[in-house]
Amino acid sequence: DGGITQSPKYLFRKEGQNVTLSCEQNLNHDAMYWYRQDPGQGLRLIYYSQIVNDFQKGDIAEGYSVSREKKESFPLTVTSAQKNPTAFYLCASREGRALLNNEQFFGPGTRLTVL
Amino acid sequence: AQSVAQPEDQVNVAEGNPLTVKCTYSVSGNPYLFWYVQYPNRGLQFLLKYITGDNLVKGSYGFEAEFNKSQTSFHLKKPSALVSDSALYFCAVRSRGDSNYQLIWGAGTKLIIKP
Repeated sequence: DGGITQSPKYLFRKEGQNVTLSCEQNLNHDAMYWYRQDPGQGLRLIYYSQIVNDFQKGDIAEGYSVSREKKESFPLTVTSAQKNPTAFYLCASREGRALLNNEQFFGPGTRLTVL
Repeated sequence: AQSVAQPEDQVNVAEGNPLTVKCTYSVSGNPYLFWYVQYPNRGLQFLLKYITGDNLVKGSYGFEAEFNKSQTSFHLKKPSALVSDSALYFCAVRSRGDSNYQLIWGAGTKLIIKP
């Protein structure tokens, strides 16, 4: 899982609560990503950021929010507006935002369960 | 629309036999192609990528993949499977000419290696 940490590993949320998932990288990567993974499905992109103080919506951004105030940090907030938030959340980073051939490095993931 | 297909949800192979995990893609322009592996409740690990040049790409843990432009395929292979290769495998693609920095992901193939 390299130099990307995600916390917590497991998270339980009551309906109507907002929760924030942490993602930190010490790889000095410019780009960072948040994915959602559901059983039997591939990865779906929630948000991504190519540079500090800038981020773009992915395919399933509704009900989520992010910030990128520091290069090494890209926290994801799952809001109460997200109707089905129970899933495995993966954070990734990539070196060189303009280098499209670079691979992404992934954190260990956070499993969010709504009670 | 750009897409990646992994036609097999699951592949079963006896230990010591060769394995193949299939991936086909549809993108505009020439692709960058990637394979990742995911062990249970873990993040994804990068295995290998095709950028340009030799169609046969060698990667981590003895895996290799062959890029076939005419068949738009990038199948993952290993000459002799190990029980420890059992995991979920993802193929991903990005078009070189695409200013969008997103990867297009396949749905994943579960590889089961039986002793």
